[in-house]
Amino acid sequence: GQQLNQSPQSMFIQEGEDVSMNCTSSSIFNTWLWYKQDPGEGPVLLIALYKAGELTSNGRLTAQFGITRKDSFLNISASIPSDVGIYFCAGQLIRAGNQFYFGTGTSLTVIP
Amino acid sequence: DADVTQTPRNRITKTGKRIMLECSQTKGHDRMYWYRQDPGLGLRLIYYSFDVKDINKGEISDGYSVSRQAQAKFSLSLESAIPNQTALYFCATSDFGTGSGELFFGEGSRLTVL
Repeated sequence: GQQLNQSPQSMFIQEGEDVSMNCTSSSIFNTWLWYKQDPGEGPVLLIALYKAGELTSNGRLTAQFGITRKDSFLNISASIPSDVGIYFCAGQLIRAGNQFYFGTGTSLTVIP
Repeated sequence: DADVTQTPRNRITKTGKRIMLECSQTKGHDRMYWYRQDPGLGLRLIYYSFDVKDINKGEISDGYSVSRQAQAKFSLSLESAIPNQTALYFCATSDFGTGSGELFFGEGSRLTVL
């Protein structure tokens, strides 16, 4: 299957710090999605990106669709304790029957 | 109420037993998916369906089967469960007809096979 390389695997930060994580692939994607998953819950969509170069914000979260269409990043500014969770990227390939492929996740811990 | 509902949320069973996980959605989406989540491996696609009577294998379909009983219902079966099928299972929906390309998840079904 398609591989999405997500980094870092885990992050431990102080409250108030900014966070950055990214996903890269050898394939070209038509859509990039970023999700957050809390323990025992399903992933919740944070941001969806549809065009190369697109930069989209959702509150303190900002994500960008890479120009090459092979990567995307997510930034969280001024982190707060409720940002704790696992963040996943997902890419959608039209040529693969519109399937979604997922990164392995970034586990974020925010220290108050 | 959740738009994508999975039952059961937790299940413990023994090797060789038949298990069914059910998913229903109120979003009116035509596409439904079953994913498996294992620590460190992310989400992997088991089966997906673009409409009633349309069933497609995903990346890891061996040992699983599905049924799309209606547009709103998509069930996953393990005919003879084995311990390495212990995982967190997610149902998801999308509505590509609107061009959104977004995937919405249920709350998950945690399955333990002893």
